Amino acid sequence: NAGVTQTPKFQVLKTGQSMTLQCAQDMNHNSMYWYRQDPGMGLRLIYYSASEGTTDKGEVPNGYNVSRLNKREFSLRLESAAPSQTSVYFCASSEGARYLYGYTFGSGTRLTVV
Amino acid sequence: KQEVTQIPAALSVPEGENLVLNCSFTDSAIYNLQWFRQDPGKGLTSLLLIQSSQREQTSGRLNASLDKSSGRSTLYIAASQPGDSATYLCAAGRLTGNQFYFGTGTSLTVIP
Repeated sequence: NAGVTQTPKFQVLKTGQSMTLQCAQDMNHNSMYWYRQDPGMGLRLIYYSASEGTTDKGEVPNGYNVSRLNKREFSLRLESAAPSQTSVYFCASSEGARYLYGYTFGSGTRLTVV
Repeated sequence: KQEVTQIPAALSVPEGENLVLNCSFTDSAIYNLQWFRQDPGKGLTSLLLIQSSQREQTSGRLNASLDKSSGRSTLYIAASQPGDSATYLCAAGRLTGNQFYFGTGTSLTVIP
């Protein structure tokens, strides 16, 4: 089925370890996003890519890096994981950055940093 | 920054009841507003998207309205069913910037 695919679904890291969360969409969307969801905080934007070749910081970018590998793929990297990064991470895509388009979400990655 | 609020945080209703979920936002310069459903441990499923030029959207038993002047959106669910039990989130997109701002959601329980 068409949509947004995230891997892995679950991950446990030790403090200081690094990892990359993968996201791919097959809807030919231009824009892709990484959000984190924490209890009582709602979803907060980490980074986004308005189009292939561009990336920009969102509300909570510290401790993360991203790569828009091509139009389909947008990865999120934690260079040195911290317990504060324990969260559920969602990737989303939209056809355009503004105006007419809503989001399609992946199923999320549940990350625990111990 | 756009602030989005959803009240109440939790709601419990008997099956068959009609209900309204509320969403308020601080910046009326939005370009669209989207309602999502999230089941426990799952991702977000888009329910309805309302453009700033529209006042409402309907899909089956769901109807979402948008009043930019008052900074409010409502999601109306008709004839609620136990399968409607989930958390409902609204998200507002501003005219500037490239993101949606999310509320913290209303957790709905429909009692059989």
